Amino acid sequence: NAGVTQTPKFRVLKTGQSMTLLCAQDMNHEYMYWYRQDPGMGLRLIHYSVGEGTTAKGEVPDGYNVSRLKKQNFLLGLESAAPSQTSVYFCASRRQGTRAFFGQGTRLTVV
Amino acid sequence: AQKITQTQPGMFVQEKEAVTLDCTYDTSDPSYGLFWYKQPSSGEMIFLIYQGSYDQQNATEGRYSLNFQKARKSANLVISASQLGDSAMYFCAMREAQGGSEKLVFGKGTKLTVNP
Repeated sequence: NAGVTQTPKFRVLKTGQSMTLLCAQDMNHEYMYWYRQDPGMGLRLIHYSVGEGTTAKGEVPDGYNVSRLKKQNFLLGLESAAPSQTSVYFCASRRQGTRAFFGQGTRLTVV
Repeated sequence: AQKITQTQPGMFVQEKEAVTLDCTYDTSDPSYGLFWYKQPSSGEMIFLIYQGSYDQQNATEGRYSLNFQKARKSANLVISASQLGDSAMYFCAMREAQGGSEKLVFGKGTKLTVNP
């Protein structure tokens, strides 16, 4: 069982470049979430989705866009990367009322 | 406003002793749930325990128990008989309904160090 898979695991971007992080889950979960983790800040919710074709803003959505064209995939896009977006990004998925399963994280550095 | 507050940035405990990690939450939703996750230095997120707002009894999972005080809006994690492998970051999280969907928000975490 793959669970939740994030691609890529590591990435270095130059300021102004764009990229897309992919989260894929094989558990048929309705809910999917993108978080960023910074030292001393815990996990902060960027965007989330309650099903195919739906997305909603979390606590820190600025500078990010998301799409959920297929139930199993949740994409996080950075249109113009900034050094402030250097972070570890986690994706999670879950069914309503149950616990979340997490991906292994993506370490992104913007120089 | 913070939805989940973990007031202890760091905690130290001696091996084999019990330790309590604090978590308070803020919600107006009558139906919510509280989770604790462990993040070792390897970075993975490990689910520990869950408490629903309507659960009558405190949740327990092996050496982990959740001290749920609904009126005080607290959901403290108790780890009994600490082990060296318990050294990690611990995060409290809450799911709450938002217009028919469920957000899942986390606190800033507590770094637990277990001393031999």
